[in-house]
This record gives sequence, C-alpha cells and structure tokens, in this order.
Amino acid sequence: DIQMTQSPSSLSASVGDRVTITCRASQSISSYLNWYQQKPGKAPKLLIYAASSLQSGVPPRFSGSGSGTDFTLIISSLQPEDFATYYCQQSYRTPWTFGQGTKVEIK
Amino acid sequence: QVQLVQSGAEVKKPGASVKVSCKASGYTFTRYYMHWVRQAPGQGLEWMGTINPKGGSISYAQRFQDRVSMTRDTSTSTVYMELSSLRSEDTAVYYCAREPTTVTILDYWGQGTLVTVSS
Repeated sequence: DIQMTQSPSSLSASVGDRVTITCRASQSISSYLNWYQQKPGKAPKLLIYAASSLQSGVPPRFSGSGSGTDFTLIISSLQPEDFATYYCQQSYRTPWTFGQGTKVEIK
Repeated sequence: QVQLVQSGAEVKKPGASVKVSCKASGYTFTRYYMHWVRQAPGQGLEWMGTINPKGGSISYAQRFQDRVSMTRDTSTSTVYMELSSLRSEDTAVYYCAREPTTVTILDYWGQGTLVTVSS
C-alpha cells in the first residue's frame, strides 16, 4: 500500500495567516493527489484534485502543488471557516490511502 | 442536486454483521463508482473499497477482503456495504462517496452512518 504522511499533524494559526501543509507519498503517485477538508461531525469536502486543480465552489485562497512524492496545500489567508482538519489522499493505486490529517486550530 | 443519503445509526454486538445503505439521487446512478470510507472516533479516514454500480464489479481493501461485501440495487439507486464478524475496532462512522468517471476523486459524500460495536 502507498503510505501518505502529512506534516504537521496540527498547527495553530491566526485569521489572515498563510498556512502550509505538506504531504509525502511513499512512492511516486504522479499527480493523483487530492485534498479534503473535514469539520467536526461532517463528511469530508473535496478542495483540490489532481494536485493543483481547485474544485468548483472552493475559494481561491486554497491552492495545491506538487507531483511525484511531495505535495503542498496552501491557504493564503486563513479565514474563520477554515479551521478544520485537512487530509491528503492518493488515487494513483488501490487501496486509496489518506494522510493522517492536519488539524488547523485557532491561535 | 446530487444527494447521497445513508441509513441510520446502528448498534451491534461483537460477531454480528451490519448492512449500511446509501441511496443516490440527482444523477445517473450507473455512471459513477461508489466508494466506502470509514472513520473511527477521533481518527483519520480509511478507504474500504469501491463498487461499479453499472456492472457490480468490486474492489476491496485487502484488510477487509474477507469481511466486507458491497452490492447495489439499480432499481432504487442504492448501494450497500455489509461488514461481518464485527469487533469493537469496527466502531466508526461509515461514509459512501461518489467517484466521477473523468477524474479519480470523491466529489460527493453521504452524511455518514455511525456503527457502534459493543457487548
């Protein structure tokens, strides 16, 4: 199975901050990397697909980059509604696997 | 609008089975794969497998291979996930999620079904 490792596991940030979350795959996954946001008690929501494509309806302050094994999710200016847990997920090969999550908390 | 509506919470004893349903609406059911993902309390997301509603073909994560069964009913646009030989570690929220044909993502999710395994 392809292992996905996110860092950090959690972070504290303020409204307006630039936030960077990284995700590393245990082998090359080309650009088959997606990012999801999950709020407590809710289903995950797709933010970014194919490493860098913004899902329809997602604010442009979210962006993704990377290919191969190293990927990044950036929130350019953190908003109150962005406090949540973020997961990367590879869809290169089954079983699809997720990172362990990065919890973004209010500083 | 696309909707995936799952069945309600379940409480099961160890060793029992549970069957969770996911009813799709707002799109052509047979054109999109359906996946199942679970999340134990306070934990991350775990992919369980996928079913092609058109032909019924399935792919399961190896760790669930001998205990999970995913089926579909095209007449009601519903997919089902049955997990057998339940143990306490199977306590989790189970989600169904749709995969479009053009890109390998999970673009719509059900609301989740909490399955509690307790004696």
